[in-house]
Amino acid sequence: QKEVEQNSGPLSVPEGAIASLNCTYSDRGSQSFFWYRQYSGKSPELIMFIYSNGDKEDGRFTAQLNKASQYVSLLIRDSQPSDSATYLCAAGGGADGLTFGKGTHLIIQP
Amino acid sequence: SAVISQKPSRDICQRGTSLTIQCQVDSQVTMMFWYRQQPGQSLTLIATANQGSEATYESGFVIDKFPISRPNLTFSTLTVSNMSPEDSSIYLCSVKDRGRSGAYGYTFGSGTRLTVV
Repeated sequence: QKEVEQNSGPLSVPEGAIASLNCTYSDRGSQSFFWYRQYSGKSPELIMFIYSNGDKEDGRFTAQLNKASQYVSLLIRDSQPSDSATYLCAAGGGADGLTFGKGTHLIIQP
Repeated sequence: SAVISQKPSRDICQRGTSLTIQCQVDSQVTMMFWYRQQPGQSLTLIATANQGSEATYESGFVIDKFPISRPNLTFSTLTVSNMSPEDSSIYLCSVKDRGRSGAYGYTFGSGTRLTVV
C-alpha cells in the first residue's frame, strides 16, 4: 500500500516568515514528487516538482527531497496571505497516477 | 502544460441514477487519470485510462461502478453508476504531460462537484 503522510495542520505562519511543509512517503519505488496548492472549492494547482535528492528552488518556493529518509518538504519564503491554502504532497512514477497525502492547511496571518 | 476542459462543473443527482463526466484535452496525451476527492479529504486515484487499452482500476474501485471510456488521445469520460449519497465527491481528471521545462508533470481539470440526494 503506497502512502504519503502529511500533518493536516492548520499551520499558522506570520506574513513575511518562512512556511515549512513536510511529508513522508512509503514507496521507495516512487520517482517523482509534487507539491500542489488547492484553494477551497478549486482543483489542485502544481507548485513544484522534484525528482533528485537535494534542493530545487523556484521563486519563493524551495522543494527538498531526501530519498534515503523518504522525506519531501516545501519551503515558502516571504509568505503572503494569498499563500493560505491546503498544500498537497504527492508521489508517483512511471505510468502510475499519483498518491496524495491528506494535505496541510496553511494559514498566513497578516 | 495541457489545458483540460472538464464538465459538468457540478451536478445534483438522484440516487440510483448515473452521471457521465467528460474531459477534453487541448493536446494529445497518452496517460489520463481519474481521481475522487471526498469532502475534507485528499485525492484518491480511481483509475488510469490510456488510449487503446482497458482502464486500470485501483483497489476499491470497479469497472461496473465507474466505467471509463478513452476513445482517443484527447478525450475521456468517467461514469458514476447507480449513485448513492456516498458518491458525493469532487471528481477530477488529470493528464501526464510535459511542462515548459520539458519535465513531466500532472495537470488537473477543474473538477466536477457531485451531490447525490
